[in-house]
Order: sequence, then C-alpha cells, then structure tokens
Amino acid sequence: AQTVTQSQPEMSVQEAETVTLSCTYDTSESDYYLFWYKQPPSRQMILVIRQEAYKQQNATENRFSVNFQKAAKSFSLKISDSQLGDAAMYFCAYRSARNAGNMLTFGGGTRLMVKP
Amino acid sequence: DVKVTQSSRYLVKRTGEKVFLECVQDMDHENMFWYRQDPGLGLRLIYFSYDVKMKEKGDIPEGYSVSREKKERFSLILESASTNQTSMYLCASRSGGFTGELFFGEGSRLTVL
Repeated sequence: AQTVTQSQPEMSVQEAETVTLSCTYDTSESDYYLFWYKQPPSRQMILVIRQEAYKQQNATENRFSVNFQKAAKSFSLKISDSQLGDAAMYFCAYRSARNAGNMLTFGGGTRLMVKP
Repeated sequence: DVKVTQSSRYLVKRTGEKVFLECVQDMDHENMFWYRQDPGLGLRLIYFSYDVKMKEKGDIPEGYSVSREKKERFSLILESASTNQTSMYLCASRSGGFTGELFFGEGSRLTVL
C-alpha cells in the first residue's frame, strides 16, 4: 500500500517570503499522480497543483511550484511571495495511474501560518 | 461553479444514535468519496462509489455504511454512533478518467457524546 508522509506538522513564513513544504511517499509503482491540496480555515479543500510522475518537468501554478524528485520519492511544494491568504492546512496526496477509479492517499497535513 | 454540498456543517449526536450525512454534487461526476479527517492523520478514505448503487470499501469502513441511489447523492451512515467516530467528515466527487480533479464539500463536523 502507498503511504504519504508530511514531516512538518506546522510551518510559518513571513509575508512576501518563500516557504517550502515537504512531502515524501512510498510506492512500488512507476506511473502515478501527485497533488497538493489547500484547506483554508472553515473552507473547502481545493487543488493547488498536480504533477504526473511521467513528466520530468516540475509543475508550476503562479506562485506555487513543486520540486518532484522521483528517485527520492519526494514532492515538495514551494510558495513564493507568501500572502496572508496562503494560511491554511496543506495536504500532499498520491494516486495510482493504474486504475481511473483509484482513490487518493493523503499525508497528515502541514499547517502553514503566514505572519504579516 | 462546481459544487459539492454537505447537508450539515455541525452535528451533535449521542452514543448509539443512527447518523446520516448527506452529500450532493451538481457536476454529474461518476465517482464520489467519503473521507474522515483527524489531526495528524490527514484524510482517510471510508467508502467510495464509482457508479449508482456501486460502492467500495476504503481504508477505514468499519462502523460505517453508504448509499448511492442517485448519481448526484452519496450518503454516509453511522448505524450506531460511537465516541471514536467524533471527527470531521469530508465528501468529494471526481469525474472519471485519470486526471479528474477531486472536488470537496465544506465538511461535516460530527461530535458523538
């Protein structure tokens, strides 16, 4: 079974600075998808960024980018120019590509605090 | 805007009560999911459904059942609530295919006394 580990329960960053959230995963598969989800306080969880394992290029969405290291099974999220609205729980997630119905496996989450 | 709606944001129930958590999506998605969220444990899958009347157990199905009579509605049932089922419950839906994004409801916080 796949496992996803987020080793940082809490992180804080000064507004306008850069922060990196860590995620590692364990799998024997070669084809899969990785995700970062954001859960703001009392609001719905939303997708931040997605990475296909077969793509070597790291995904980027505006201020959010990932560092995908397939051999190391590492998938970190970098948030540049942090804003107060980035404060949230962030979850890393894994999904196998073998079966379209497969569910996501989530990490334990990292709470990000942004200091003004 | 896509929408996943959970019927109750906050519920307080007593041990032994039967609890229904309802979830409705308006995106005509085939796949629907119920997760449980606990601090430090992230989200754990309880059940999912890939079609009407179809269901599959997730990682922690014990003490729960589900119902999907219509495509847009997926219900989570606690037959006899226990205190260890106090948690946040998240419903999600996803279209078919490998790259379908997961859309979440706002969550239902259940307290069992």
